[in-house]
Amino acid sequence: GAGVSQSPSNKVTEKGKDVELRCDPISGHTALYWYRQSLGQGLEFLIYFQGNSAPDKSGLPSDRFSAERTGGSVSTLTIQRTQQEDSAVYLCASTPKVGGGADTQYFGPGTRLTVL
Amino acid sequence: AQKITQTQPGMFVQEKEAVTLDCTYDTSDPSYGLFWYKQPSSGEMIFLIYQGSYDQQNATEGRYSLNFQKARKSANLVISASQLGDSAMYFCAMRERNYGGSQGNLIFGKGTKLSVKP
Repeated sequence: GAGVSQSPSNKVTEKGKDVELRCDPISGHTALYWYRQSLGQGLEFLIYFQGNSAPDKSGLPSDRFSAERTGGSVSTLTIQRTQQEDSAVYLCASTPKVGGGADTQYFGPGTRLTVL
Repeated sequence: AQKITQTQPGMFVQEKEAVTLDCTYDTSDPSYGLFWYKQPSSGEMIFLIYQGSYDQQNATEGRYSLNFQKARKSANLVISASQLGDSAMYFCAMRERNYGGSQGNLIFGKGTKLSVKP
């Protein structure tokens, strides 16, 4: 079956511009996570969605970052007024449900963001 | 303090030999899950193996096995009969039990870059 998909695969933007990154989770998966992978910081959790519950935004690095999930499926991560330190690979993952430790998170191919 | 520690930034192994990638973790939660992911140069994170904190036996998945030593808080990945396609970054990750406010996100180590030599 189809895995997690993300678009665009690469994004180059100028400092100060806004960007939107999209994630399509595996069909039927109710939980969706965004992570950021950068050279200096490794893999960091950003935000989590579970069904219709309020998202857990505890990992977002600043108020320039926001995300939404429409219809319990597709998610968009928005970064406003991008800075050079936002350059990273943004990874999305989904899992069927939350509550069991064995719920494996399946990752998409990521979006490589470069802020000039 | 780091929750997941991978002490080997890089490792080399000869093709067809076995290799062990180290991972130690830190948690006070009695219920947790441990995961290993592979990230080839293409960038996608590929799930390899899972070990639950209450599992009595070490997890195995094909050529992958997890050497789980709970008292030492160690969850090393063993790859048997290495293949050239195993060359990649390998990440150990932990997921703690969901409590209020904890949503089960993965906490990753810094990774180990494995290179398989022909």
